Amino acid sequence: GAGVSQTPSNKVTEKGKYVELRCDPISGHTALYWYRQSLGQGPEFLIYFQGTGAADDSGLPNDRFFAVRPEGSVSTLKIQRTERGDSAVYLCASSPGHGTGVTGELFFGEGSRLTVL
Amino acid sequence: DQQVKQNSPSLSVQEGRISILNCDYTNSMFDYFLWYKKYPAEGPTFLISISSIKDKNEDGRFTVFLNKSAKHLSLHIVPSQPGDSAVYFCAARVSGAGSYQLTFGKGTKLSVIP
Repeated sequence: GAGVSQTPSNKVTEKGKYVELRCDPISGHTALYWYRQSLGQGPEFLIYFQGTGAADDSGLPNDRFFAVRPEGSVSTLKIQRTERGDSAVYLCASSPGHGTGVTGELFFGEGSRLTVL
Repeated sequence: DQQVKQNSPSLSVQEGRISILNCDYTNSMFDYFLWYKKYPAEGPTFLISISSIKDKNEDGRFTVFLNKSAKHLSLHIVPSQPGDSAVYFCAARVSGAGSYQLTFGKGTKLSVIP
C-alpha cells in the first residue's frame, strides 16, 4: 500500500489476555518505530527497528511488551498479560533510512486502538 | 519530566486570522524540530520542520520560528482555514544519537471558526 498500514484498527480485550498488533510499513522503508498515545498525551516512543534488529527499545515500559520485525518489513508489537493501563492508541511509523526522510519526518499509520477491560 | 511542552491545550481562532501555536523544550541536545497535525481517528501527518541551524522555515501558509536561546518554537498559520482545525503536535529529536526517535509534546487543539 501507499502508506503505513496497521491492524487491527480497534482491539478490545480483557485484563490478563495476550494481544498482537501488526504494522506494515511503507515499502522500502528500513526504519520502523512504535509509539503509544494515551488519552490527552502526545505519542510516546516505545521501540525503533533498523532493518530486522531492535536498535533502541528503551521506551518499552516493562517486559510484558515485546516487538519483532523478523524480515525487516512487517512488525508485530506483542503485549502479554494486558492491564487496564495499557489502553491507548498504538502508532507505528516508518522512514526511508535512519529516521531521515527528505524533511526528517516519520510517516505514521492510523494506529491501533487497544482497550483493556 | 517532559522535555517538549505545549502549554496551551486548545486555541480558537477566527477564519482568516493568524494562528500561533507555541512549544517549549528543555533538552539542549535537540537539534531538529517538527510539527505534526492530527485529525481524529487518523495518524499524525507531517507539517513542517526546522533545523537548529535556522531560525525560520516557511512553507505556504505555515511558518515555524525557532528561538534557540529561549528554547522556544512557534508555528504560525496565516490565514487560518476551517480545515486547519486539528490537534498540532510539536516534536523534537537529537540527530546522530543512533535512534531518530521523536519526543512529542501533548498537543494543542486548534479550532478555526468560520
